[in-house]
Amino acid sequence: DGGITQSPKYLFRKEGQNVTLSCEQNLNHDAMYWYRQDPGQGLRLIYYSQIVNDFQKGDIAEGYSVSREKKESFPLTVTSAQKNPTAFYLCASGLAGDLGGELFFGEGSRLTVL
Amino acid sequence: DQQVKQNSPSLSVQEGRISILNCDYTNSMFDYFLWYKKYPAEGPTFLISISSIKDKNEDGRFTVFLNKSAKHLSLHIVPSQPGDSAVYFCAASADNYGQNFVFGPGTRLSVLP
Repeated sequence: DGGITQSPKYLFRKEGQNVTLSCEQNLNHDAMYWYRQDPGQGLRLIYYSQIVNDFQKGDIAEGYSVSREKKESFPLTVTSAQKNPTAFYLCASGLAGDLGGELFFGEGSRLTVL
Repeated sequence: DQQVKQNSPSLSVQEGRISILNCDYTNSMFDYFLWYKKYPAEGPTFLISISSIKDKNEDGRFTVFLNKSAKHLSLHIVPSQPGDSAVYFCAASADNYGQNFVFGPGTRLSVLP
């Protein structure tokens, strides 16, 4: 089945540790995105990538890093520099350059910093 | 400053009645809008979209209305069903390349049996 897979679904981290969230898609989409959701807020864009080996910062990129070495994969690293990392993280993909298309989301990863 | 606003954090509607979810935006460059539905601990799923060249788009029980002069859109669900109970996000884009959407904070809809 085509779709987006995020792992792990739940993750606990101690303060000061880096953690990497996985996002894989088999929809053959060029564009991939990472969003963060906090209670009472909309989805805020962390990073996005329109093509392999290229990515741009979103609205809240500080304390995060990404890579896009393969079309199918867009992992997100939450570094120790991220001051408030506890949140629900959502990965999405879409057809780059296709105005009028929607984003397809994974099921999310909930990160809790202890 | 929120560019996309959903001023009602929650809404309760009786089963069979109409649900109206509202969304306001501030950026006049936005030209494409989507509604997503989200259940707890799941990713959002696409519901319906509208481009700025239209003022209405309908898909089954779901209709989205766009009022560009008022920078306002609304989602109507008729008739509402208990399975519609979820958080609904409005999203807007002004991007001619790619899909860099700005999301609203969401409205939690509860459809009561």
